[in-house]
Amino acid sequence: NAGVTQTPKFQVLKTGQSMTLQCAQDMNHNSMYWYRQDPGMGLRLIYYSASEGTTDKGEVPNGYNVSRLNKREFSLRLESAAPSQTSVYFCASRQQVFSNQPQHFGDGTRLSIL
Amino acid sequence: QQQVKQSPQSLIVQKGGISIINCAYENTAFDYFPWYQQFPGKGPALLIAIRPDVSEKKEGRFTISFNKSAKQFSLHIMDSQPGDSATYFCAASTNSGAGSYQLTFGKGTKLSVIP
Repeated sequence: NAGVTQTPKFQVLKTGQSMTLQCAQDMNHNSMYWYRQDPGMGLRLIYYSASEGTTDKGEVPNGYNVSRLNKREFSLRLESAAPSQTSVYFCASRQQVFSNQPQHFGDGTRLSIL
Repeated sequence: QQQVKQSPQSLIVQKGGISIINCAYENTAFDYFPWYQQFPGKGPALLIAIRPDVSEKKEGRFTISFNKSAKQFSLHIMDSQPGDSATYFCAASTNSGAGSYQLTFGKGTKLSVIP
């Protein structure tokens, strides 16, 4: 049982390039999340999808777009990458959107933008 | 902006000692307080969680103490082991109002347990 799978694990981009980070979960969870983790900043929510067909902004959505492709997959797109978007990106899923449900995280995508 | 303030930023504890990490929150609507453990190169994993209707929850060597009136909660790791060396994040969430359904994380505490 893989849980939450993120691809790629590492990526280096040049400023202005675009890319899509992929996330898939096999736990039949309804809610999915994208976070970024920066040193000394904890995890900050970028976007989330409470259920298939819905997406909402989190704390730091600027410069990102998301697509909930189906119940399993939730992608994060950087249209024009900037050095400030250098970070580790984590995808997470949760059975339901309600607060007392644990979130399950993938192992992250380490993204460097030069 | 909802905040969860976590301290200390880093902690060094001798093997067998007690590790204590503290968090404070502002939003009284928070109703779920989980702690996550993260090893290098891995994603965070849920360690233990508490609801505000109890003052303490214990799972093995890990205990959450919760003080609703002070809006504070803490993680205690008893008999700390080198394998506990990781970064720990407190978090909080609510089902109502601004930021509902979202986890708000503290900035993390890097714990090192030395032999």
